[in-house]
Amino acid sequence: NAGVTQTPKFQVLKTGQSMTLQCAQDMNHEYMSWYRQDPGMGLRLIHYSVGAGITDQGEVPNGYNVSRSTTEDFPLRLLSAAPSQTSVYFCASSSLVGQGTHEQYFGPGTRLTVT
Amino acid sequence: SQQGEEDPQALSIQEGENATMNCSYKTSINNLQWYRQNSGRGLVHLILIRSNEREKHSGRLRVTLDTSKKSSSLLITASRAADTASYFCATRGSGNTGKLIFGQGTTLQVKP
Repeated sequence: NAGVTQTPKFQVLKTGQSMTLQCAQDMNHEYMSWYRQDPGMGLRLIHYSVGAGITDQGEVPNGYNVSRSTTEDFPLRLLSAAPSQTSVYFCASSSLVGQGTHEQYFGPGTRLTVT
Repeated sequence: SQQGEEDPQALSIQEGENATMNCSYKTSINNLQWYRQNSGRGLVHLILIRSNEREKHSGRLRVTLDTSKKSSSLLITASRAADTASYFCATRGSGNTGKLIFGQGTTLQVKP
């Protein structure tokens, strides 16, 4: 299993540009989520999904869109990049069913700089 | 605002000492999880404690949960230089929405 994969690893955008951060998991997890991590702020939840066709907002959703057309993929779209969106972005997934640990598996992160 | 707040923000100890980190949260939870992050890397799950549990052990890790005080602690015993990392608590709310909210983390430095 590849686990959770994210592309790209690094990205530089100009203010106003749009782009999509890709996230995929091969563990058949129902739950997928996007976080951003800024110095001193920990991880903040942007959007999350509990299954294909279902998405919901997290703590800091403004400026970002998501969709979940398949169980495997959960792309994050930046509609019009702003310098405030400079951050490291992590995608994560977990199972929600059964009595397992439901631990969240993280991708390696995407480091985004908006100039 | 974030669900979890951690204390202290930074902790520096000598190898062999114990390290204790605390986490407080605001709303009712289904479970509370602790994660570790090495510099520049993704987060790795350490341990999960459910809302009906009070204490859990895993190797050198001991986690306690006090739902009446809405707080948890992570104890790392006999610390090693390799334990140097940031540690985060995360809470999964009751109602099985799946949403996992993280605290701001504690940065632990273990000096050899």
